[in-house]
Amino acid sequence: GAVVSQHPSRVICKSGTSVKIECRSLDFQATTMFWYRQFPKKSLMLMATSNEGSKATYEQGVEKDKFLINHASLTLSTLTVTSAHPEDSSFYICSVDSYNEQFFGPGTRLTVL
Amino acid sequence: GNSVTQMEGPVTLSEEAFLTINCTYTATGYPSLFWYVQYPGEGLQLLLKATKADDKGSNKGFEATYRKETTSFHLEKGSVQVSDSAVYFCALRSRGGGADGLTFGKGTHLIIQP
Repeated sequence: GAVVSQHPSRVICKSGTSVKIECRSLDFQATTMFWYRQFPKKSLMLMATSNEGSKATYEQGVEKDKFLINHASLTLSTLTVTSAHPEDSSFYICSVDSYNEQFFGPGTRLTVL
Repeated sequence: GNSVTQMEGPVTLSEEAFLTINCTYTATGYPSLFWYVQYPGEGLQLLLKATKADDKGSNKGFEATYRKETTSFHLEKGSVQVSDSAVYFCALRSRGGGADGLTFGKGTHLIIQP
């Protein structure tokens, strides 16, 4: 299966700043990646589908201007949380779609003060 | 829309006990069904899957059968070990022409005591 990494693993930032999270597919060229968000004791919620070379597809209720996704290469997708606020604090997880199976990164813990 | 409902924990069992974690779903068409496991400090890992009705997925002693008539995909294991302590997520994926994201249940925290 695909090996997926995320960077950073955890980040703390001040309210109003922007944070970029990277998701890398280490051994597989991924045309499609997914971004999920996990609140404490809650399920993972799909935020968006990241498509290499084209615009991301966002789920209903997810602000595309707040959560900017860039999938510029087959091995890298980035999620930028713009003008972060405390309510954006969460665990962000990406996954790579490989032959109809999803392989997940270890996640990034974002804390906005 | 799609949804997954699974029993919420924590579920605490003694080693060698029998495990059942219930999962039911709502979806259009015939989705693929999955169980993922998240060990402490690690990412989600696929535990098992089933892609059509009556399929049984199995791995590491865990089993789940795709029951279309009851829209269920309950996870079972005959004898649990301390190392099975983790959070278990039931999930589904709709059948579509392209790649679709997963719809997850809320997760069940399983604690196995020696």
